[in-house]
Amino acid sequence: DAKTTQPPSMDCAEGRAANLPCNHSTISGNEYVYWYRQIHSQGPQYIIHGLKNNETNEMASLIITEDRKSSTLILPHATLRDTAVYYCIVSKYAGGTSYGKLTFGQGTILTVHP
Amino acid sequence: GAVVSQHPSRVICKSGTSVKIECRSLDFQATTMFWYRQFPKKSLMLMATSNEGSKATYEQGVEKDKFLINHASLTLSTLTVTSAHPEDSSFYICSAGTGSTDTQYFGPGTRLTVL
Repeated sequence: DAKTTQPPSMDCAEGRAANLPCNHSTISGNEYVYWYRQIHSQGPQYIIHGLKNNETNEMASLIITEDRKSSTLILPHATLRDTAVYYCIVSKYAGGTSYGKLTFGQGTILTVHP
Repeated sequence: GAVVSQHPSRVICKSGTSVKIECRSLDFQATTMFWYRQFPKKSLMLMATSNEGSKATYEQGVEKDKFLINHASLTLSTLTVTSAHPEDSSFYICSAGTGSTDTQYFGPGTRLTVL
């Protein structure tokens, strides 16, 4: 699976948009971009994922560049509860039980301050 | 939807004893389950992958005789840490896939402390 590069930490003011970048320049055509976050002492929480197109759900938006070599997770109105470690992961899914491994890097520590 | 639970959330045991951790998918059938370990201030490390009814596949460096994984049903997987030692103290987390979508969902984790 392709590796990802994320900044180690970012700050964001409460109520503002948090834009978390991720580089995945070696991504292959059948690999998805997944975003999870982990709040201290809890299991990772799924946020969003995409293959080629931009995606939006109730939590966030995912913007994937046309060449798919990088992406940005956008939390439109960050709250204090969004303070967490955010992981960008690239992984295959071939259908059925053929899940690719989720390889967690160090992620980005997002701190939302009042 | 896609809720995964773990039990217990915390366990403290004496060195040499065995500990069983359960991972359940509450609202879906989990054809594939994964077990991870996380040491303090470190990232998650995949330990093993199991498909229902099959033997687990362990990652390199993970002792399969020490970390016994059973995935006997589509809603339950168990991880048994046998003859636990203080160095096995860690945060153990499971995840599950439905087999029909491309997303894995994680449990809340189990904090194991071996004295």
